[in-house]
Formats: sequence, structure tokens, C-alpha cells
Amino acid sequence: DAKTTQPTSMDCAEGRAANLPCNHSTISGNEYVYWYRQIHSQGPQYIIHGLKNNETNEMASLIITEDRKSSTLILPHATLRDTAVYYCIVRDVSSNTGKLIFGQGTTLQVKP
Amino acid sequence: ETGVTQTPRHLVMGMTNKKSLKCEQHLGHNAMYWYKQSAKKPLELMFVYNFKEQTENNSVPSRFSPECPNSSHLFLHLHTLQPEDSALYLCASSQATTENYGYTFGSGTRLTVV
Repeated sequence: DAKTTQPTSMDCAEGRAANLPCNHSTISGNEYVYWYRQIHSQGPQYIIHGLKNNETNEMASLIITEDRKSSTLILPHATLRDTAVYYCIVRDVSSNTGKLIFGQGTTLQVKP
Repeated sequence: ETGVTQTPRHLVMGMTNKKSLKCEQHLGHNAMYWYKQSAKKPLELMFVYNFKEQTENNSVPSRFSPECPNSSHLFLHLHTLQPEDSALYLCASSQATTENYGYTFGSGTRLTVV
């Protein structure tokens, strides 16, 4: 079972920042937060991951609260090509069972 | 192109047919995975291979038979499938099943069982 809760859908205006929230209140100390996205009928694409510090790469920023019970993925300047389903996943990388388990995700619609 | 190649991209098969899906990666990864994505459902993990050894089978029916001859290739052999097996089948790879690495996914095989 997925260990995260995300809104089903969100809209964002093109050129604005898209802020996608994720709750993971039962996260444990060994679990990282991963974000993937899936553009229609393609394979999921890795975006970013983190443990407790905020992270930034060329695609996005990940903000994790101090208690690690929630996080926010930020796409700083959303484009129409960012329209996709975004998955927030917690994963125990120290375990042989630390697999990527996907939930329903958030469908982000970027509008002109 | 992600570095994980799946063939064929589309497959239509009858319920009595036998077919195979192929996945290939040259990323130097040691773990490979099969996922199934049915319409409007989340991805479901089917099988996990780590250094060519199967480490997980998530109660997948025996009509799906995986094979991993080496760390670069993964197959999913299909026989006597049902229409409800129609789905997008995705292959992924990672450096290892543990450690802090993400997965790289292929583009998938769209399977239709008629």
C-alpha cells in the first residue's frame, strides 16, 4: 500500500510555479521521499528525491518539513509539457524490500 | 530515450497465444523490475530481479513468467492470458534494490488481449 496522500488533481497557469503537496505522516527514519511523473502513456520519469534536507535540481525543488511528515514538490516555471501525473513515494532504501510503490498520484494540468 | 528499451511497443494477442515482452538496459544497472499499469489504476509491481535472481513475485498469476538471463535483459513470457490482462507493461532498472538510487523506466509495451 502507498504510504502517501496526494490531492487527486491540480491546475496551474503556464509560467507560474506549481506546488504539489504530499503527506507522509507515517514516514520512518530510513525512508526517502521520491517524486516521479508520468506523462500520458509513457513510463514514469524520475524528478527528485530527499531524506530531510531540501533538494533542488534542474527540474524541480523538494521541500520537506522539519518533522518529515509532509513535503512539497515545486516546479518553478510550469510549462504545458509539465502536464502529467505526479507521484510522491516513500521508500526504505536500507531494506531489500525497499521498492517503489506507486499510489494514485496528482494529475497536474498546466493551462495556457 | 531513457536507456531502458522495451519491445514491442504495442502487442495484440489472442487468449491462446504465447508471446514475450523484452526489456534491455545498458546502464550498468543490477536490478530490474516489471510493473503493470491497468487503465486508470496505479502501477503495480509484479517482479523484482537483483543480480539476475528473482527476489520478489507479488502474487502474479503463473500465466506471466519472467526470465532474466543477465543483468541487462529481462523478459516477460505470456501465455493463455485473459482480457483483463490488457494493460501497459513497464520495465524499470536501478543500480541495486537497496541503496539510494532511483529507477529508470522504459516506455512500456501496450498489451491488448482479445
